[in-house]
Amino acid sequence: AQSVTQPDIHITVSEGASLELRCNYSYGATPYLFWYVQSPGQGLQLLLKYFSGDTLVQGIKGFEAEFKRSQSSFNLRKPSVHWSDAAEYFCAVASGSGGSNYKLTFGKGTLLTVNP
Amino acid sequence: KAGVTQTPRYLIKTRGQQVTLSCSPISGHRSVSWYQQTPGQGLQFLFEYFSETQRNKGNFPGRFSGRQFSNSRSEMNVSTLELGDSALYLCASSGGTGDNEAFFGQGTRLTVV
Repeated sequence: AQSVTQPDIHITVSEGASLELRCNYSYGATPYLFWYVQSPGQGLQLLLKYFSGDTLVQGIKGFEAEFKRSQSSFNLRKPSVHWSDAAEYFCAVASGSGGSNYKLTFGKGTLLTVNP
Repeated sequence: KAGVTQTPRYLIKTRGQQVTLSCSPISGHRSVSWYQQTPGQGLQFLFEYFSETQRNKGNFPGRFSGRQFSNSRSEMNVSTLELGDSALYLCASSGGTGDNEAFFGQGTRLTVV
């Protein structure tokens, strides 16, 4: 069965500092990988996705992620964090049967706090 | 283009009651998935519907059921509510075929008292 591990429950960074959120996955086939962001009381917004091809993917809000098959990782990065980036971040892997790729397995999330 | 709409946004129910949540997907999307989010268990997949058929199902008891209508709108029902069913229920829609990402609604916050 697939699984996703986000080792960091809570990360605090200063505004303007760089950010890296870690994600490791376990999946038997080529994974479809996603990063979502959730603000308090809100739904999930897709930041970026990896399906195939270039292992460095660009997303919205200046985020990028790198897929490393050898390490089973899909870490999220941002060179300079803004106060508005404070939120909870979820890594997910998609799987399914019968041609469906929409059963998402999520990590437990990483809560990001940004200090002024 | 309107996003995924979930109604109601908030619900308070009593233990033992049943509840129905509604999800209207993005126009043209045929796949609707449901997720339960709790502080303890995180985000867990409930089920997915595509063209009115359940394609995938998570590990939840039979008290949790769903359906999808011909216009792709979906409903989720929980019978005999338990305190542990208190959660944020999220609906996601996607095209349903190929490499499509899921777009999430704002969720329905269910509180069972």
